[in-house]
Parts: sequence; C-alpha cells; structure tokens
Amino acid sequence: GESVGLHLPTLSVQEGDNSIINCAYSNSASDYFIWYKQESGKGPQFIIDIRSNMDKRQGQRVTVLLNKTVKHLSLQIAATQPGDSAVYFCAEKDPGTYKYIFGTGTRLKVLA
Amino acid sequence: DTGVSQNPRHKITKRGQNVTFRCDPISEHNRLYWYRQTLGQGPEFLTYFQNEAQLEKSRLLSDRFSAERPKGSFSTLEIQRTEQGDSAMYLCASSPTDREAFFGQGTRLTVV
Repeated sequence: GESVGLHLPTLSVQEGDNSIINCAYSNSASDYFIWYKQESGKGPQFIIDIRSNMDKRQGQRVTVLLNKTVKHLSLQIAATQPGDSAVYFCAEKDPGTYKYIFGTGTRLKVLA
Repeated sequence: DTGVSQNPRHKITKRGQNVTFRCDPISEHNRLYWYRQTLGQGPEFLTYFQNEAQLEKSRLLSDRFSAERPKGSFSTLEIQRTEQGDSAMYLCASSPTDREAFFGQGTRLTVV
C-alpha cells in the first residue's frame, strides 16, 4: 500500500544550528500531513500540520514545507535546542480512510 | 492533565492470557484512534471510532483484537490469547476533527 518514508534515520546537529528533517510520501492524492515529535517512553506529540493547498506553514521555531511536485515534506527547526532531541515522524492522512500513515521516523540528536 | 489518558502504562502478561487497555480521550473529542508501535517503527493504525461507532479497522488486525467505545467517551482495546508478537506500545489518540490527532502516553505490553 501507500507509505510515508524518511530519507535519514539519524540526524545530528549542533545546538543553535538549524535542523532539517525530510520525508517522502507516495500517494499524490494525500491532502493533509502532520509532523510529530516523540520522546523516549512517551506518545507522539503534535508539532505542526499542513494541508495540500499550502506550500509552507510556520509555527514557533518550526516550519513545514510541502513540495507536491516531488511528493516531499520537510520540517525545519530553527536554533535547535537540547530539548528538541527526539524521534520525528511525518504522518500522511490516507485519502478515503480515517487513518494516518506514519513512516519509521528520524532521530534528531542535538550536540552541545 | 486534560490530555489523552491511557491505563495501564505498562502490562506484562503470560502468553495465552487476555489483556484489556483503557483510553480516556480529551473531553468532547468525538474521534478516537488506536495505534500500535514497535521499537524503531512509526505507529501503525489499528482502528478508528467516531463517537461510539467503529468506522474503520485495519486489515492487519487479528480476530484476537477487539475494541469498543460504548458511550462514545472512553474506549477499551482487548487482546485475547496474547502472543509474543503482540508485544508493543499501544497508543490511543483523539481528535475533535479529522485532523490534529493528539496521542496519549501509550500502554507498553510485554508478552512473556
């Protein structure tokens, strides 16, 4: 079936630098995407979402970019902090169903 | 705490036993999801409720799994005749719309 995947399983960045986490999706009909952050032993935490009629959406220190032409999603974190260390998942709303499809995640490590 | 609440947080059971997990969604969220997550993987959809109606179940969901949401508020997930392959984190999420699903902390099941 359709799936959401990530290019890099682990990303290490220096504290204060910007982070970019990438995600590829395969269903061109998908119209809604969410980025989640998951810390060890906890459930996924909603970060930011974007609909397919948008190319960019900004939150507090985070920006999501959507490129529908190449079916690519990215999460940018500005001025990465130690508290940003976690696994990040993109999730795709499966069209015509109620479910979200998650990829395997990218682990972000923030180096002091 | 007004977030999604799941109980128990941890459950260890012997193979062949039945287990039941409970999820209390955010108040007034009429949409409720169950997901399963194994180590190093993203959450995998199990089932979805809108109010008390179970509207979608994963084709991967064994007949040993059953979920209920009798009054459209809390939900239970039961696994009968547990197997070692059932060991995972079971996550519940709720939402007021078809977007922005908010997850609980999960119930970690270990089948020995």
